[in-house]
Amino acid sequence: QKEVEQNSGPLSVPEGAIASLNCTYSDRGSQSFFWYRQYSGKSPELIMFIYSNGDKEDGRFTAQLNKASQYVSLLIRDSQPSDSATYLCAVTRIAGYSTLTFGKGTMLLVSP
Amino acid sequence: DAGITQSPRYKITETGRQVTLMCHQTWSHSYMFWYRQDLGHGLRLIYYSAAADITDKGEVPDGYVVSRSKTENFPLTLESATRSQTSVYFCASITGTSTGELFFGEGSRLTVL
Repeated sequence: QKEVEQNSGPLSVPEGAIASLNCTYSDRGSQSFFWYRQYSGKSPELIMFIYSNGDKEDGRFTAQLNKASQYVSLLIRDSQPSDSATYLCAVTRIAGYSTLTFGKGTMLLVSP
Repeated sequence: DAGITQSPRYKITETGRQVTLMCHQTWSHSYMFWYRQDLGHGLRLIYYSAAADITDKGEVPDGYVVSRSKTENFPLTLESATRSQTSVYFCASITGTSTGELFFGEGSRLTVL
Protein backbone atom coordinates (compact mmCIF):
# COMPACT_ATOMS: atom_id res chain seq x y z
CA GLN A 1 0.00 0.00 0.00
CA LYS A 2 1.54 3.24 -1.14
CA GLU A 3 1.18 5.93 1.50
CA VAL A 4 1.83 9.62 1.59
CA GLU A 5 1.76 11.24 5.02
CA GLN A 6 1.23 14.88 5.87
CA ASN A 7 0.36 16.67 9.10
CA SER A 8 -3.24 17.79 8.78
CA GLY A 9 -2.61 21.07 10.58
CA PRO A 10 -3.71 23.71 10.65
CA LEU A 11 -0.31 25.29 10.43
CA SER A 12 -0.65 28.89 11.52
CA VAL A 13 1.98 31.46 10.57
CA PRO A 14 1.97 35.27 10.64
CA GLU A 15 2.16 37.25 7.44
CA GLY A 16 5.72 37.56 6.19
CA ALA A 17 6.96 34.41 7.93
CA ILE A 18 8.24 31.21 6.35
CA ALA A 19 5.78 28.35 6.23
CA SER A 20 7.24 24.84 6.16
CA LEU A 21 5.10 21.96 4.95
CA ASN A 22 6.32 18.39 5.17
CA CYS A 23 5.50 15.10 3.48
CA THR A 24 6.82 11.55 3.76
CA TYR A 25 6.12 8.69 1.39
CA SER A 26 6.42 4.93 1.60
CA ASP A 27 7.03 3.83 -2.00
CA ARG A 28 10.77 3.83 -2.66
CA GLY A 29 10.03 3.59 -6.37
CA SER A 30 8.55 7.08 -6.38
CA GLN A 31 10.39 9.35 -8.77
CA SER A 32 8.24 12.45 -9.16
CA PHE A 33 6.84 14.66 -6.44
CA PHE A 34 4.24 17.38 -6.63
CA TRP A 35 2.76 20.05 -4.42
CA TYR A 36 -0.80 21.11 -5.14
CA ARG A 37 -2.64 23.98 -3.52
CA GLN A 38 -6.37 23.75 -2.90
CA TYR A 39 -8.46 26.67 -1.79
CA SER A 40 -11.64 25.89 0.08
CA GLY A 41 -14.36 24.75 -2.30
CA LYS A 42 -12.01 24.72 -5.28
CA SER A 43 -10.07 22.09 -7.17
CA PRO A 44 -6.35 21.43 -6.60
CA GLU A 45 -3.83 23.30 -8.72
CA LEU A 46 -0.18 22.47 -9.22
CA ILE A 47 2.33 24.86 -7.69
CA MET A 48 5.59 22.89 -7.70
CA PHE A 49 7.09 19.65 -8.92
CA ILE A 50 10.49 18.14 -8.19
CA TYR A 51 12.29 15.05 -9.45
CA SER A 52 15.85 15.34 -8.19
CA ASN A 53 17.29 15.41 -4.70
CA GLY A 54 17.93 18.87 -3.39
CA ASP A 55 16.11 22.16 -3.64
CA LYS A 56 14.03 23.67 -6.39
CA GLU A 57 12.99 27.30 -6.16
CA ASP A 58 10.16 29.09 -7.93
CA GLY A 59 9.46 32.58 -6.69
CA ARG A 60 8.48 32.41 -3.03
CA PHE A 61 8.21 28.63 -3.14
CA THR A 62 11.01 26.12 -2.57
CA ALA A 63 10.52 22.38 -2.83
CA GLN A 64 13.05 20.13 -1.11
CA LEU A 65 13.50 16.44 -1.84
CA ASN A 66 15.46 13.77 0.01
CA LYS A 67 14.84 10.38 -1.59
CA ALA A 68 17.03 8.52 0.89
CA SER A 69 14.85 9.75 3.74
CA GLN A 70 11.69 9.55 1.59
CA TYR A 71 10.89 13.10 2.51
CA VAL A 72 9.71 16.09 0.52
CA SER A 73 8.92 19.53 1.82
CA LEU A 74 7.58 22.87 0.63
CA LEU A 75 8.79 26.19 1.99
CA ILE A 76 6.78 29.33 1.41
CA ARG A 77 8.72 32.51 2.06
CA ASP A 78 7.10 35.83 2.89
CA SER A 79 3.78 34.10 3.50
CA GLN A 80 0.69 36.05 2.51
CA PRO A 81 -2.92 35.68 3.65
CA SER A 82 -3.68 34.59 0.08
CA ASP A 83 -1.47 31.54 0.71
CA SER A 84 -4.05 30.26 3.19
CA ALA A 85 -5.17 26.97 1.67
CA THR A 86 -4.69 23.23 1.93
CA TYR A 87 -1.45 21.94 0.43
CA LEU A 88 -1.46 18.46 -1.01
CA CYS A 89 1.65 16.40 -1.51
CA ALA A 90 1.48 13.85 -4.35
CA VAL A 91 3.93 11.24 -5.59
CA THR A 92 4.18 8.98 -8.60
CA ARG A 93 6.59 6.54 -10.18
CA ILE A 94 6.54 7.86 -13.72
CA ALA A 95 5.47 11.46 -14.19
CA GLY A 96 2.77 11.77 -16.79
CA TYR A 97 2.17 8.07 -17.18
CA SER A 98 1.28 6.61 -13.81
CA THR A 99 -1.21 7.39 -11.11
CA LEU A 100 -0.55 9.92 -8.39
CA THR A 101 -0.95 9.09 -4.72
CA PHE A 102 -1.99 12.07 -2.63
CA GLY A 103 -1.47 12.87 1.01
CA LYS A 104 -4.44 14.12 3.00
CA GLY A 105 -3.13 17.65 2.90
CA THR A 106 -1.94 20.27 5.37
CA MET A 107 -4.09 23.32 6.00
CA LEU A 108 -2.08 26.54 6.13
CA LEU A 109 -3.47 29.66 7.77
CA VAL A 110 -1.58 32.92 7.29
CA SER A 111 -2.74 35.67 9.61
CA PRO A 112 -2.39 39.37 8.67
CA ASP B 1 -13.14 27.20 -23.33
CA ALA B 2 -10.45 24.55 -23.19
CA GLY B 3 -10.13 22.40 -20.09
CA ILE B 4 -12.08 19.87 -18.10
CA THR B 5 -15.74 20.34 -17.43
CA GLN B 6 -17.75 18.31 -14.99
CA SER B 7 -21.50 18.04 -14.73
CA PRO B 8 -23.55 18.30 -12.71
CA ARG B 9 -21.66 20.49 -10.26
CA TYR B 10 -24.15 19.70 -7.50
CA LYS B 11 -26.40 16.68 -7.18
CA ILE B 12 -28.70 15.41 -4.46
CA THR B 13 -30.04 11.91 -4.85
CA GLU B 14 -31.51 9.12 -2.79
CA THR B 15 -30.06 5.83 -1.70
CA GLY B 16 -30.41 3.18 -4.37
CA ARG B 17 -30.67 5.52 -7.33
CA GLN B 18 -28.28 5.47 -10.25
CA VAL B 19 -26.22 8.59 -10.76
CA THR B 20 -23.85 9.49 -13.59
CA LEU B 21 -21.24 12.19 -13.27
CA MET B 22 -19.97 13.50 -16.57
CA CYS B 23 -16.46 14.60 -17.42
CA HIS B 24 -15.36 16.17 -20.68
CA GLN B 25 -11.90 17.39 -21.63
CA THR B 26 -10.88 19.38 -24.67
CA TRP B 27 -7.14 18.71 -24.65
CA SER B 28 -7.17 15.12 -25.99
CA HIS B 29 -5.11 13.99 -23.00
CA SER B 30 -4.72 10.24 -22.98
CA TYR B 31 -5.00 9.69 -19.26
CA MET B 32 -8.10 10.60 -17.28
CA PHE B 33 -8.91 9.99 -13.64
CA TRP B 34 -11.74 10.08 -11.16
CA TYR B 35 -10.97 10.98 -7.55
CA ARG B 36 -13.21 11.43 -4.57
CA GLN B 37 -12.32 13.77 -1.75
CA ASP B 38 -13.59 13.34 1.78
CA LEU B 39 -12.64 14.95 5.07
CA GLY B 40 -10.09 12.79 6.77
CA HIS B 41 -9.29 10.79 3.66
CA GLY B 42 -8.00 13.29 1.18
CA LEU B 43 -8.07 12.52 -2.52
CA ARG B 44 -8.59 8.87 -3.35
CA LEU B 45 -8.43 7.40 -6.83
CA ILE B 46 -11.58 5.60 -7.97
CA TYR B 47 -10.83 4.68 -11.59
CA TYR B 48 -8.52 5.83 -14.30
CA SER B 49 -8.20 5.41 -18.04
CA ALA B 50 -5.07 5.36 -20.16
CA ALA B 51 -6.95 5.73 -23.45
CA ALA B 52 -10.32 5.12 -25.04
CA ASP B 53 -11.67 1.70 -24.08
CA ILE B 54 -8.89 1.18 -21.50
CA THR B 55 -9.86 1.60 -17.86
CA ASP B 56 -8.47 0.35 -14.59
CA LYS B 57 -9.39 0.36 -10.93
CA GLY B 58 -7.91 2.71 -8.43
CA GLU B 59 -7.89 2.58 -4.65
CA VAL B 60 -11.68 2.71 -4.04
CA PRO B 61 -13.55 1.34 -7.10
CA ASP B 62 -16.36 -0.57 -5.38
CA GLY B 63 -19.81 0.74 -6.27
CA TYR B 64 -18.60 2.68 -9.30
CA VAL B 65 -18.55 1.99 -13.02
CA VAL B 66 -16.70 3.91 -15.71
CA SER B 67 -16.56 3.86 -19.48
CA ARG B 68 -14.49 5.65 -22.06
CA SER B 69 -15.80 5.23 -25.56
CA LYS B 70 -14.29 8.55 -26.67
CA THR B 71 -11.00 10.10 -25.61
CA GLU B 72 -12.66 13.29 -24.44
CA ASN B 73 -15.35 11.80 -22.20
CA PHE B 74 -15.00 9.79 -19.01
CA PRO B 75 -18.32 9.34 -17.19
CA LEU B 76 -18.53 7.89 -13.70
CA THR B 77 -21.66 5.97 -12.73
CA LEU B 78 -22.84 5.04 -9.29
CA GLU B 79 -25.10 2.10 -10.06
CA SER B 80 -26.93 2.13 -6.71
CA ALA B 81 -25.93 5.14 -4.65
CA THR B 82 -25.20 4.73 -0.95
CA ARG B 83 -24.78 7.37 1.77
CA SER B 84 -21.08 6.53 1.98
CA GLN B 85 -20.73 7.80 -1.58
CA THR B 86 -21.60 11.32 -0.48
CA SER B 87 -18.47 13.17 -1.49
CA VAL B 88 -16.86 15.66 -3.81
CA TYR B 89 -15.80 14.01 -7.05
CA PHE B 90 -12.98 15.36 -9.17
CA CYS B 91 -12.24 14.40 -12.72
CA ALA B 92 -8.69 15.01 -13.89
CA SER B 93 -6.45 14.49 -16.88
CA ILE B 94 -2.72 14.37 -17.24
CA THR B 95 -0.60 16.03 -19.86
CA GLY B 96 1.53 13.01 -20.64
CA THR B 97 4.62 15.16 -20.68
CA SER B 98 7.59 14.91 -18.34
CA THR B 99 5.92 17.45 -16.08
CA GLY B 100 3.11 15.08 -15.36
CA GLU B 101 0.83 17.85 -14.22
CA LEU B 102 -2.64 16.68 -13.29
CA PHE B 103 -5.37 19.09 -14.34
CA PHE B 104 -8.58 18.94 -12.34
CA GLY B 105 -12.14 19.76 -13.19
CA GLU B 106 -14.13 21.98 -10.84
CA GLY B 107 -15.61 19.05 -8.98
CA SER B 108 -19.06 17.56 -8.53
CA ARG B 109 -20.55 17.64 -5.06
CA LEU B 110 -22.81 14.63 -4.58
CA THR B 111 -25.12 14.16 -1.62
CA VAL B 112 -26.86 10.82 -1.14
CA LEU B 113 -29.81 10.95 1.25
